Amino acid sequence: DAKTTQPTSMDCAEGRAANLPCNHSTISGNEYVYWYRQIHSQGPQYIIHGLKNNETNEMASLIITEDRKSSTLILPHATLRDTAVYYCIVRPTHTGNQFYFGTGTSLTVIP
Amino acid sequence: GAVVSQHPSWVICKSGTSVKIECRSLDFQATTMFWYRQFPKQSLMLMATSNEGSKATYEQGVEKDKFLINHASLTLSTLTVTSAHPEDSSFYICSATRGRPTGELFFGEGSRLTVL
Repeated sequence: DAKTTQPTSMDCAEGRAANLPCNHSTISGNEYVYWYRQIHSQGPQYIIHGLKNNETNEMASLIITEDRKSSTLILPHATLRDTAVYYCIVRPTHTGNQFYFGTGTSLTVIP
Repeated sequence: GAVVSQHPSWVICKSGTSVKIECRSLDFQATTMFWYRQFPKQSLMLMATSNEGSKATYEQGVEKDKFLINHASLTLSTLTVTSAHPEDSSFYICSATRGRPTGELFFGEGSRLTVL
């Protein structure tokens, strides 16, 4: 039931910005875009979420297109510890609704 | 951020036995908890949604009699894998939401089950 598509894998040089795209062309008006990442054999870690406006926190920036059909997660200065699988998820705002994970993007940060 | 803790982090059991995994929200009351299963090199698959004081809602294809979920309080949910078999070996992950309007999901560390 995942409503997002992401590239299977990406590489990024250490210290450079990592830009991870996500397509969600069927997103509804009341659905947020969430990003999580999962380092091997750990539970997923929340990164950021947004509805319409671009968002920034201490971990990353989220750029959402005006039509909201796609978004990009930006890790401004990738480190080796950012190597993980990154998941983009869309979900309605009201509570109790499930998070369905797609296949995600496996990001490898290269020294 | 909110903390969700799972126990045990790993467990090995014999085929035919039952295993219980606990999921606790440590610093908030979780209105809803979710249980996921993840096989090697695959994504997380939602198994069920549980709300405190009511029966869990299972996803299609998940056997409710095999995967018993109890959400007895706002801070504790348990998953019991009954009569476990080797094909039940997997990484089980719980998550919880505080129920705020944007409803971020916070995940436990995961529990790795190996059935011999």
